[in-house]
Amino acid sequence: EIVLTQSPGTLSLSPGERATLSCRASQSVSSSYLAWYQRKPGQAPRLLIYDASTRATGISDRFSGSGSGTDFTLTISRLEPEDFAVYYCQQYGNSPRGTFGGGTKVEIK
Amino acid sequence: EVRLVESGGGLVKPGGSLRLSCAASGFTFSDYNMNWVRQAPGKGLEWVASISPSSYIYYADSLKGRFTISRDNARNSLYLQMHRLRDDDTAVYYCARDRVTYNWGAFDYWGQGTLVTVSS
Repeated sequence: EIVLTQSPGTLSLSPGERATLSCRASQSVSSSYLAWYQRKPGQAPRLLIYDASTRATGISDRFSGSGSGTDFTLTISRLEPEDFAVYYCQQYGNSPRGTFGGGTKVEIK
Repeated sequence: EVRLVESGGGLVKPGGSLRLSCAASGFTFSDYNMNWVRQAPGKGLEWVASISPSSYIYYADSLKGRFTISRDNARNSLYLQMHRLRDDDTAVYYCARDRVTYNWGAFDYWGQGTLVTVSS
């Protein structure tokens, strides 16, 4: 069973800074089927990145995804106030499908 | 416009049952894999179950045997039947659509969720 570990648990940064979030899988993620979601209180999760590096429709180019195999990264190039949220990675290529990581909270420093 | 609207949540006693529904609109429901995801208070997102258009099904191992996902393509509806509910099933339950129709994919549209509270 594949397990996704996100780090750090919390990232304290200032607006304008660069955020680098990590997602490590316990085994290789099939076909780089990895997604990143943003979660804000009171809102449904929003798909940011799919297939490890493809931005979803309408997502700012400040968000970028990279990686393959077992190591994946979400980078937010310059944090805007609306980017402070919790971010989850998810794999959808291995069994059990749909596994999420534990999340990284990006908070204002 | 794609819309997913969950219903059926509420307060239920431990050991009880509940059936959640998700009404879909704005897309050809019968073409897409559909999913249930939950989030317990103070916890992260947890994938629950997925169902293909032809009802090929996956469950999270920890929930297999208690939860049943189903769909009615004629009614554009997704369901989650939950039995033998426990305190730790308390969560907001979301339905979500797969992004692609030809394979399993990421979840591109989500409902606003329905709250299930399991408590005596």
